[in-house]
Amino acid sequence: DIQMTQSPSTLSASVGDRVTITCRASQSISSWLAWYQQKPGKAPKLLIYKASSLESGVPSRFSGSGSGTEFTLTISSLQPDDFATYYCQHYNSYPLTFGGGTKVEIK
Amino acid sequence: EVQLVESGGGLVQPGGSLRLSCAASGFTFSSYAVAWVRQAPGKGLEWVSVISRSADSTDYADSVKGRFTLSRDNSKTTLYLQMNSLRAEDTAVYYCAKLGAGAFFDYWGQGTLVTVSS
Repeated sequence: DIQMTQSPSTLSASVGDRVTITCRASQSISSWLAWYQQKPGKAPKLLIYKASSLESGVPSRFSGSGSGTEFTLTISSLQPDDFATYYCQHYNSYPLTFGGGTKVEIK
Repeated sequence: EVQLVESGGGLVQPGGSLRLSCAASGFTFSSYAVAWVRQAPGKGLEWVSVISRSADSTDYADSVKGRFTLSRDNSKTTLYLQMNSLRAEDTAVYYCAKLGAGAFFDYWGQGTLVTVSS
């Protein structure tokens, strides 16, 4: 099974900060990676797929990059609505697996 | 508007069974694979199972293989998850999710809570 490791697990930041979250795969997954945002008590929301493709309706301050085993999600200027937990997920093969999550908190 | 509405969650004793349903609307259900993803209280996301568009193929996480069965009725645009031999570690919110152009999840339901406890 492919293991997905996210870092950091928690991140404290201020509105307007540039934020970067890293996701590493235990083996190459090409660009088969998605990113999700989840707020407390809510379902996850797709942000990015195929490592860098922005889902329709998602603000352009979100961007994704990487390929192979190392990937990043960047929020260029953190907004109040962005405080949430973020998950990466590979879809290179089954079983599908998620990273452990990164909680973005208010500094 | 795509909608996925789960139902069937609740409290069940260890060893018991439960059947979850997911009613889909707003898209051509028979054209997409669909899946279940769960989240234990305070924990991360775990993929559970997936079924192909025509139901000719299913796959399961090792943690549920042999105990859970996924099926779909395209005429009713509904997904079903039959859960048998439930364990305490199956306690979670279960989300129904539609797959996009790849095995990622572009739409999610609101989730249904399954609690396995005596």
